[in-house]
Amino acid sequence: EEQLVESGGGLVQPGGSLRLSCSASGFNFNSCEMHWVRQAPGKGLEWVSSIGGGAYTVYYADSVKGRFTISRDNAKDSLYLQMDSLRAEDTAVYFCARVPPWLGGVDALDLWGQGTEVTVSP
Amino acid sequence: DIQMTQSPFSLSASVGDRVTITCRASQTLSKYLNWYQQKPGKAPKLLLYAASSLQSGVPSRFSGSGSGTDFSLTINSLQPEDFATYYCQQTYSSPPTFGHGTKVEIK
Repeated sequence: EEQLVESGGGLVQPGGSLRLSCSASGFNFNSCEMHWVRQAPGKGLEWVSSIGGGAYTVYYADSVKGRFTISRDNAKDSLYLQMDSLRAEDTAVYFCARVPPWLGGVDALDLWGQGTEVTVSP
Repeated sequence: DIQMTQSPFSLSASVGDRVTITCRASQTLSKYLNWYQQKPGKAPKLLLYAASSLQSGVPSRFSGSGSGTDFSLTINSLQPEDFATYYCQQTYSSPPTFGHGTKVEIK
């Protein structure tokens, strides 16, 4: 079964750091572009960051650029999001999601994890 | 960044109704438009990609159309399990952006 499982969320003070992980199973992880998407409480979806299969291309939303770092370890089928200088407005559920290579460059997110909750509060 | 405007913000409908949600982009997307369904406390689920291609396993009562800047998602014969929030997403240019969502509620 194809699956993504996030971990690493929790409560952190403003200015603190947190590292999220996303463990993939059941598919060829290194063939897939991977994304992080977040959802603040009661709000809509916000794209955060993406990384290519070979980790050569990375992109960030302006709201996290310079504070968050996306990475992956294909040997461990894992995706990461290092979050530094956290702010209250980073409070959200963070989802990892996959772009499969067979959608012809459309970049739709066809497999999502269950999400991990991050709360930034004093 | 490309802005995505969904309408309506929410709607009430009955089981069996036909429902249409629209999504307008601030610039042309060709067909780089995807639709997701999200239920409370759950991850989003991909319904359609490239404007009109049905994701595997998604019921055929869901359909999508449009190109350029104007797109729509139609649900024919609304079922109880379809009450959820629906999001459009453009992947034409980075950053990929989502619409604000349309909540479909039971009348």
